[in-house]
Amino acid sequence: GEDVEQSLFLSVREGDSSVINCTYTDSSSTYLYWYKQEPGAGLQLLTYIFSNMDMKQDQRLTVLLNKKDKHLSLRIADTQTGDSAIYFCAESVRYSSASKIIFGSGTRLSIRP
Amino acid sequence: NAGVTQTPKFQVLKTGQSMTLQCAQDMNHEYMSWYRQDPGMGLRLIHYSVGAGITDQGEVPNGYNVSRSTTEDFPLRLLSAAPSQTSVYFCASSRDSPNSPLHFGNGTRLTVT
Repeated sequence: GEDVEQSLFLSVREGDSSVINCTYTDSSSTYLYWYKQEPGAGLQLLTYIFSNMDMKQDQRLTVLLNKKDKHLSLRIADTQTGDSAIYFCAESVRYSSASKIIFGSGTRLSIRP
Repeated sequence: NAGVTQTPKFQVLKTGQSMTLQCAQDMNHEYMSWYRQDPGMGLRLIHYSVGAGITDQGEVPNGYNVSRSTTEDFPLRLLSAAPSQTSVYFCASSRDSPNSPLHFGNGTRLTVT
């Protein structure tokens, strides 16, 4: 079946790196995504990685993909208070006549001073 | 551009009432979808549409209807509201398929008493 799992909470000190982990089950995923949700808002796409890549870097964000273990991680360098949010891991899977996105439950990132 | 606009932001219904959640996008996106977000469960796909006149069911379609008479609009109808439909509802669109980045509205918080 299709499932995306991630831990519910992460607390880091301001200035440290945050690492949010995710595991998924569908080996046919083509894209894997990280979305960010701030309070009272919808989800915003942070970054995504194609399944034939193992790493993608975008400024403070680094995505690592281990396809063998079906493990995805998001590293945020120099975490700031503005990074406080819920982070969702998601994968695209084939469903009926189209693809769909399966979301994890989200990891709430909180920043300590 | 307004992006994806959802109305209303908040709604309280009594069990058995019906209502329509509105969603409109001005990006000429072909793909539109509805998700519900419940604590600890991530986002679950209710219905989706790959273009005007075409709709299909997602993971949790029961109790909801959709239509797509125009590219811009994708309303979600609750025919007879139940307390189990208390949730936050998000509309999302993408250029052509969910493998393109999803753009989310800010959500509708629905309470059914």
